[in-house]
Amino acid sequence: EVQLLESGGGLAQPGGSLRLSCAASRFSFSTYGMAWVRQAPGKGLECVSVITNSGGGRYNADSVKGRFTISRDNSRNTLYLQMNSLRADDTAVYYCAKISSGWLGDYFDSWGQGTLVTVSS
Amino acid sequence: QSALTQPPSASGSPGQSVSISCTGTGNDVGAYNYVSWYQQHPGKAPKLILYEVTKRPSGVPDRFSGSKSGNTASLAVSGLQGEDEAHYYCASYAGGNILLFGGGTKLTVL
Repeated sequence: EVQLLESGGGLAQPGGSLRLSCAASRFSFSTYGMAWVRQAPGKGLECVSVITNSGGGRYNADSVKGRFTISRDNSRNTLYLQMNSLRADDTAVYYCAKISSGWLGDYFDSWGQGTLVTVSS
Repeated sequence: QSALTQPPSASGSPGQSVSISCTGTGNDVGAYNYVSWYQQHPGKAPKLILYEVTKRPSGVPDRFSGSKSGNTASLAVSGLQGEDEAHYYCASYAGGNILLFGGGTKLTVL
């Protein structure tokens, strides 16, 4: 069974930075696209960043464009999300999700347990 | 792009059937058969229950089914059980690289 384990969440000040990690196991990590999906408290799901299996293609939602950078290290089976210029409305649980194929428009077939990011002074 | 539109709530009694709609536009739900549905229990991660409108992953009961007509996709749950009480989210490919989600529907089993 696919395992995705997020880490790196916590409290950050407005304007600050955090780096999230997602350790993947029990599947061929380098074969699949990956994504970060967030959920603000009491709200719905929002896909914020996706990356191709090779890492050569990276795309962000408008809400985080220019502030968040997704990356991956296929040698370490790890996905990252560098979050800069954090704002209060970035407060959310951030889920790492596996895309079901190498195509970024495909569905998310596995999810991590999530890591909470709180942006507050 | 705007989120897909779902009713905020739905309900049914045990054993009954319920349907949850997911309305988009001709640029997302109406244009592609790439609608997926996710179930989320409180405090838990989302779980895929349907993909490509009608397909069920292994292990998902056949009480869950999907359909699409025009710009609206639907999730149907038959033979409601207490464990079906959860939030349900639809998502659709919208021509770009970021999957578009609905706002979610809270299903209550009365």
